[in-house]
Amino acid sequence: DVVMTQSPLSLPVTLGQPASISCRSSQSLVYSDGNTYLNWFHQRPGQSPRRLIYEVSNRDSGVPDRFSGSGSGTDFTLEISRVEAEDLGVYYCLQNSHWPNTFGQGTRLEIK
Amino acid sequence: EVQLVESGGGLVQPGGSLRLSCAASGFTFSTYWMTWVRQTPEKGLEWVATINQDGSEKYYVDSVKGRLTISRDNAKNSLYLQMNSLRADDTAVFYCVVGIGIWWGQGILITVSS
Repeated sequence: DVVMTQSPLSLPVTLGQPASISCRSSQSLVYSDGNTYLNWFHQRPGQSPRRLIYEVSNRDSGVPDRFSGSGSGTDFTLEISRVEAEDLGVYYCLQNSHWPNTFGQGTRLEIK
Repeated sequence: EVQLVESGGGLVQPGGSLRLSCAASGFTFSTYWMTWVRQTPEKGLEWVATINQDGSEKYYVDSVKGRLTISRDNAKNSLYLQMNSLRADDTAVFYCVVGIGIWWGQGILITVSS
């Protein structure tokens, strides 16, 4: 199975400042069709996860443009340009280039 | 508005069975792959199973193969997860998910305990 490793696991941030989360896969996520199926999710306490980014860098409908995704191969990053209070919670990466699909262990974004 | 409403959860003894259902509305159910994802405080999110649009393709995480079965009824806009031979480590909140995380249900708790 593809192992997804996120870092850091906890990220204290100051509101208005940028934040960055890394996700590394144990093997390349480039699929046979040439696409890379790496997604990012955000989960607020007591809520279901919400997808923010699909295929590395595509924002889902309604996702603020302060969120951006980048990376290739086995190394990916989610960046928040200016953290707002509503961004707090846990962020997960998910790969669906290989079966079984696998999640990272999560990164908790919290107020410093 | 997309709605995914899970039902059928609860407390079950080890070795027992449960059938989860997910009633979908607000989108064309028959055109989407569907997925079950589970979550525990200890392990976080875990992808469980995915089914394609007509049910001809199914994929499972190794830990549930032979015990959990995903299925769907496009005429009823419904997704199912038949869970047999349940173990304590199956205890989790189970989410019904459209595609690869496009939309999520509110989740339903399954507790396997004697």
